[in-house]
Amino acid sequence: EIVLTQSPGTLSLSPGERATLSCRASLSVSNNYLAWYQQKPGQAPRLLIYGASSRATGIPDRFSGSGSGPDFTLIIDRLEPEDFAVYYCQQYGSSPQTFGQGTKVEIE
Amino acid sequence: QVRLVQSGAEVKKPGASVKVSCKASGYTFSSYGINWVRQAPGQGLEWMGWISVYNGNRRYVPKFQGRVTMTTDTSTSTAYMELRSLRSDDTAVYFCARDRYYYGSGLEALDIWGQGTMVTVSS
Repeated sequence: EIVLTQSPGTLSLSPGERATLSCRASLSVSNNYLAWYQQKPGQAPRLLIYGASSRATGIPDRFSGSGSGPDFTLIIDRLEPEDFAVYYCQQYGSSPQTFGQGTKVEIE
Repeated sequence: QVRLVQSGAEVKKPGASVKVSCKASGYTFSSYGINWVRQAPGQGLEWMGWISVYNGNRRYVPKFQGRVTMTTDTSTSTAYMELRSLRSDDTAVYFCARDRYYYGSGLEALDIWGQGTMVTVSS
């Protein structure tokens, strides 16, 4: 199975700053089938990005995804207070689907 | 609107079974696959498997093979996940989640999630 490693584990930033999150796969992700999710405490995850770079319905354009092969990036421009949460990447190009361990974006 | 509503929290003893339900509304249930994902307390997300509502095809993660059964009931637009021979490390929140694209093969992003069902396994 493909192992996804996210970095950093925690990102401490202030509102208005840019967040850059990394997701590295142990093997190339087929068809760039890489998604990003946001999860807040006590809530279900929310799909942000699919296909490495396509925003899901209703996701603000301050969220952007990029990358291919084994290396992917999620950028959050101009952090809003509601963006402080845990972010997970997921590969769905091969079975079993797998998730990264998460990056927590916290208020500095 | 499109929703998945799950059954309530469960407390089970080791060795028992649990069956979690996930009722869909707001879309054509038979057109989209349903995934099950769990999250142990304070931990990350773990995909358990997928079922095609359309044709009944399933994918299970090998570690759960033999202990998990995923089913659907199209008459009530409900998906079910049964986990047997429960252990303490099965204590987790269990989520159902819909494939983003219809008639998928179990390899899809997950666009609609249920609210989660807490399953506690304790003697």
